[in-house]
Amino acid sequence: GNSVTQMEGPVTLSEEAFLTINCTYTATGYPSLFWYVQYPGEGLQLLLKATKADDKGSNKGFEATYRKETTSFHLEKGSVQVSDSAVYFCALREYSGGGADGLTFGKGTHLIIQP
Amino acid sequence: DTAVSQTPKYLVTQMGNDKSIKCEQNLGHDTMYWYKQDSKKFLKIMFSYNNKELIINETVPNRFSPKSPDKAHLNLHINSLELGDSAVYFCASRGTGELFFGEGSRLTVL
Repeated sequence: GNSVTQMEGPVTLSEEAFLTINCTYTATGYPSLFWYVQYPGEGLQLLLKATKADDKGSNKGFEATYRKETTSFHLEKGSVQVSDSAVYFCALREYSGGGADGLTFGKGTHLIIQP
Repeated sequence: DTAVSQTPKYLVTQMGNDKSIKCEQNLGHDTMYWYKQDSKKFLKIMFSYNNKELIINETVPNRFSPKSPDKAHLNLHINSLELGDSAVYFCASRGTGELFFGEGSRLTVL
């Protein structure tokens, strides 16, 4: 079956530090890949996505590149802010023909940015 | 307008009770989902509906029953609530690939 593995948290960084959150996946075919963010007390919001190999998703200064050879989709940001503190989820969706397949999520990485 | 809305946002109830959580999406999507998020933030898919037909049921106890009166609504009914049902339940709908989530309903069973 499909699975997503991401680094366990919490990850604590100082403001303006460089961020990397690792994500690797297992899938039988060619999934679409996503990063979602969950701020405290809120639902999940799509941060970025990539649908095929070598695609780079980007949003709000965050980037992730779909690496088929290493089955990875690591999230990066050059300079984090306190407002980036949240839980980040890596996820994949593999189309199986059923039409209603959902996303498979990693366990989430809690990011804490200190002033 | 909120794209995916669910009510109530908070629900506190006693063991053994029956409760429902409602979900509505105004995005015109054909597929909707229910996810459960536990205390460790782990997200597990419970159900999905595509054009009012149940497609996925991920080993969820039959005390949980999804009900979809129309394409824009997917409600979750839970019978005989147990302590372990305490969690945040998220409704979502799917567009071209990504899912759009509601803000969650925090269920606490005492």
